Amino acid sequence: ELKVEQNPLFLSMQEGKNYTIYCNYSTTSDRLYWYRQDPGKSLESLFVLLSNGAVKQEGRLMASLDTKARLSTLHITAAVHDLSATYFCAPQQGFKTIFGAGTRPFVKA
Amino acid sequence: DVKVTQSSRYLVKRTGEKVFLECVQDMDHENMFWYRQDPGLGLRLIYFSYDVKMKEKGDIPEGYSVSREKKERFSLILESASTNQTSMYLCASSTAVYEQYFGPGTRLTVT
Repeated sequence: ELKVEQNPLFLSMQEGKNYTIYCNYSTTSDRLYWYRQDPGKSLESLFVLLSNGAVKQEGRLMASLDTKARLSTLHITAAVHDLSATYFCAPQQGFKTIFGAGTRPFVKA
Repeated sequence: DVKVTQSSRYLVKRTGEKVFLECVQDMDHENMFWYRQDPGLGLRLIYFSYDVKMKEKGDIPEGYSVSREKKERFSLILESASTNQTSMYLCASSTAVYEQYFGPGTRLTVT
C-alpha cells in the first residue's frame, strides 16, 4: 500500500532564506506531483516528476525526485511572502494518488 | 483551461439529512475523484470513477456513496449526514493518469 510522509508539517520561513520540504513514500510509484494550496482556495498543480533524477524548476521553487530512495524534495529559494501556501506532495500509483499531510509555511518579515 | 465546478461553496446540514454534493468538469476527463480535506490529515480519497457508471472505493468510503451517470458529472452522496462528516470536500478530474484538476471545494458543516 502506498503511503506518504511529508515533513515538516509547518515551516516558519524568514524572507530571503532557503528551505526544503521532504516527501518520503513507501512503495514504487509511477509519478509524483507537487501541489500548492493558497489559503481558502483549492489545489493547483506545480510539478509532475516522472523518473529518477527528474528536476523541475519554476521561479523560486525546485522539485526533484529520487526513486531509489523514494524521496522527493521541494526546495524554496529566497523565500518571499507570496509563498505562504500549503504544499502537498502526491505520489501516484495507477489510478490512485496519495496526498501527504501538507506543509504549511508562514513567512516572517 | 480546465474547469471543475462544485455545486456549493458552503453548506450547512442537520444530522440525519441526505446530502448531495455535485461536481462538473468541462474537459471530457475520464477520471473523477472525491476527497475530503481535514487539518493535519491532508486529502483522503473517498471514491473515484474512471468511466461513466464505474466507481471504486477510496480509503474512506464509509458513510458515502457516489453516482456518475454522465461523463462530466460526479456526485457525492451522504445518505445520513453525521457530525464527523463536517469537512472540506474537494472534487477533482484528470485524464488517464495525469495531474488532477481540483474544484474550489465545498465546506460542509453538519450540526
